[in-house]
Amino acid sequence: ETGVTQSPTHLIKTRGQQVTLRCSSQSGHNTVSWYQQALGQGPQFIFQYYREEENGRGNFPPRFSGLQFPNYSSELNVNALELDDSALYLCASSLSAPGRDGKKLFFGSGTQLSVL
Amino acid sequence: AQKVTQAQTEISVVEKEDVTLDCVYETRDTTYYLFWYKQPPSGELVFLIRRNSFDEQNEISGRYSWNFQKSTSSFNFTITASQVVDSAVYFCALSDFSGGYNKLIFGAGTRLAVHP
Repeated sequence: ETGVTQSPTHLIKTRGQQVTLRCSSQSGHNTVSWYQQALGQGPQFIFQYYREEENGRGNFPPRFSGLQFPNYSSELNVNALELDDSALYLCASSLSAPGRDGKKLFFGSGTQLSVL
Repeated sequence: AQKVTQAQTEISVVEKEDVTLDCVYETRDTTYYLFWYKQPPSGELVFLIRRNSFDEQNEISGRYSWNFQKSTSSFNFTITASQVVDSAVYFCALSDFSGGYNKLIFGAGTRLAVHP
């Protein structure tokens, strides 16, 4: 049991729409990261939030945005959905300050997004 | 560039066979961490092991063992006497601290099918 929960589990949207995915991190964890996992590939880093601030971002366009709340839960928002956005979106939490600490990540089961 | 390569896309074995999953990495960092995660059909990434770059001691945990060799940039994972419940996708990952924050670089994964 990792304690990281994501909602919804599955979602179907059409191209051009907007979507919000939610994540509740493991109790006490102050860092949340989001990853995109396309079919047959490994997860790719989208961005990371630490104490409600974005402190790192991967190679994703600005239409991917996020929030972290005071209770450390998080949202991932994607605007102007494209077909290639179809993927499993994974949220991971850790108790970590930014830096070279190599903390392990605890992952949720993900949200499977299909864009038609 | 930071990179993780898992050359084996799929492996199929019969129960009780031993199986080794290969992982080769590239990094500019002198301090780094390596991870193995397991992804069952439920989608959640389950942490298996973490190794830091200064610890080349190999480890055995039950039916699992890991072989970390810095000289060849490899971090291989062996399951002894495989079981059907081991069927999953296995990911090797490398810590990346570029940009001043901590994220994981994943390989493409190896799908392991264990047949009765």
